[in-house]
Amino acid sequence: GQNIDQPTEMTATEGAIVQINCTYQTSGFNGLFWYQQHAGEAPTFLSYNVLDGLEEKGRFSSFLSRSKGYSYLLLKELQMKDSASYLCAVMDSNYQLIWGAGTKLIIKP
Amino acid sequence: DAMVIQNPRYQVTQFGKPVTLSCSQTLNHNVMYWYQQKSSQAPKLLFHYYDKDFNNEADTPDNFQSRRPNTSFCFLDIRSPGLGDAAMYLCATSRERDPSYEQYFGPGTRLTVT
Repeated sequence: GQNIDQPTEMTATEGAIVQINCTYQTSGFNGLFWYQQHAGEAPTFLSYNVLDGLEEKGRFSSFLSRSKGYSYLLLKELQMKDSASYLCAVMDSNYQLIWGAGTKLIIKP
Repeated sequence: DAMVIQNPRYQVTQFGKPVTLSCSQTLNHNVMYWYQQKSSQAPKLLFHYYDKDFNNEADTPDNFQSRRPNTSFCFLDIRSPGLGDAAMYLCATSRERDPSYEQYFGPGTRLTVT
C-alpha cells in the first residue's frame, strides 16, 4: 500500500528553527509537495521537489532523498503566523497525489 | 483576486437530503479535483476531471457524483448525505496533471449533516 508518515504535532519557539520530517512509500514517484494549511482554511502550496537535494525559498527550505523515501521541510526564523498544519504529499506513478495527515506546528512566544 | 471559488463556504443539510457544492475557477486550468478532508486527516481525493474526462477514485462511494459543464465550473453532488459525510470539501485546480504544476485550492465548503 501507499503510505506517507509525518509527525502529528510539533512545538517550537518564535524565532527558532524547526524541521518537519516526512517519509513515504508509494507506487512510483513524480515529485513531493509541501503545503501549508491554517485551521479551517485550504492548503496553500509551499514547495515541490523532484530531484534529490535542498530547495530554498526564503525562510522555508525543502529537502528530498529519493533513495531513502524521505523529505523534510525546514522553517527558519519562526513567526507566530507559521502556526499551521504542514502537509506532505507525493505524486505517484499515476499522477495521483498521496497525502500525509499533516503535522500541526504550534509556535510559542 | 480569487482564483478558485467555492460556494457556499458553509452548508448545512439534513440526513438523506441531496446537496450540491459548487466550484469555479478563473485560471482556465485543465484539471479540477474534489477532495474530502475530515478533521486532522489528510485530504482524500474523490475524483478529478482532466478537461471533460472524468476520473473516479476506486473507493469513492456511489453517493458522490460530479459534473463539469464547462472549463470554469465543477459541481459535487451528494445524493443522500449521511452523518459520516460531514467534512470539509476542497476543490483544487491545476494547469496540467504533470507534477510540476501545483494544485491551487479553493477555500473549501464545510458541510454539516444534521
